[in-house]
Amino acid sequence: GAGVSQTPSNKVTEKGKYVELRCDPISGHTALYWYRQSLGQGPEFLIYFQGTGAADDSGLPNDRFFAVRPEGSVSTLKIQRTERGDSAVYLCASSLQGGELFFGEGSRLTVL
Amino acid sequence: AQSVSQHNHHVILSEAASLELGCNYSYGGTVNLFWYVQYPGQHLQLLLKYFSGDPLVKGIKGFEAEFIKSKFSFNLRKPSVQWSDTAEYFCAVKGGSYIPTFGRGTSLIVHP
Repeated sequence: GAGVSQTPSNKVTEKGKYVELRCDPISGHTALYWYRQSLGQGPEFLIYFQGTGAADDSGLPNDRFFAVRPEGSVSTLKIQRTERGDSAVYLCASSLQGGELFFGEGSRLTVL
Repeated sequence: AQSVSQHNHHVILSEAASLELGCNYSYGGTVNLFWYVQYPGQHLQLLLKYFSGDPLVKGIKGFEAEFIKSKFSFNLRKPSVQWSDTAEYFCAVKGGSYIPTFGRGTSLIVHP
């Protein structure tokens, strides 16, 4: 498709489990962003990739969160030992460098 | 560090009423400014943006925003709202880095 694709759209897991969320950006977009959105809040920055490298990961809340983009296209956000506070919608966006962000539909994570 | 403040968290209007949503940012240098909209059940999408030039920016669906540098503001306006404008509206600022910072958002409900 032409837009940013995120899978799964919904994920329910138990506390302590490991979760992977996938993002397939718009073809040709070198920049990729992960944000997290809690109910009633705006998107909160997690990590930014330029190409294959994480240019800025200052938004990752702790070392349970990690993201990769090995070939400069698809990215995976990985959350270890999930906690109930991790429940949120995880948004992925891509852009041409310096341009507007194009968002995916998001992955809604629920940790029971 | 850059930040964004949206003053109105919930706005309720009747159709044909005029709309103005406030957005103030804090950043001392050159900024890019954005308004994104999220319609019910849909992903975030760009409404309008300011990079440089004319401070009055026109976007899709009759929306406009004015960048007032002296007030660090980028308020969103529409002279006559429609029921279909019911959505969440997010202001975002991008300063020295490539990472946009989003405000908390304003929930707009338009009654027919």
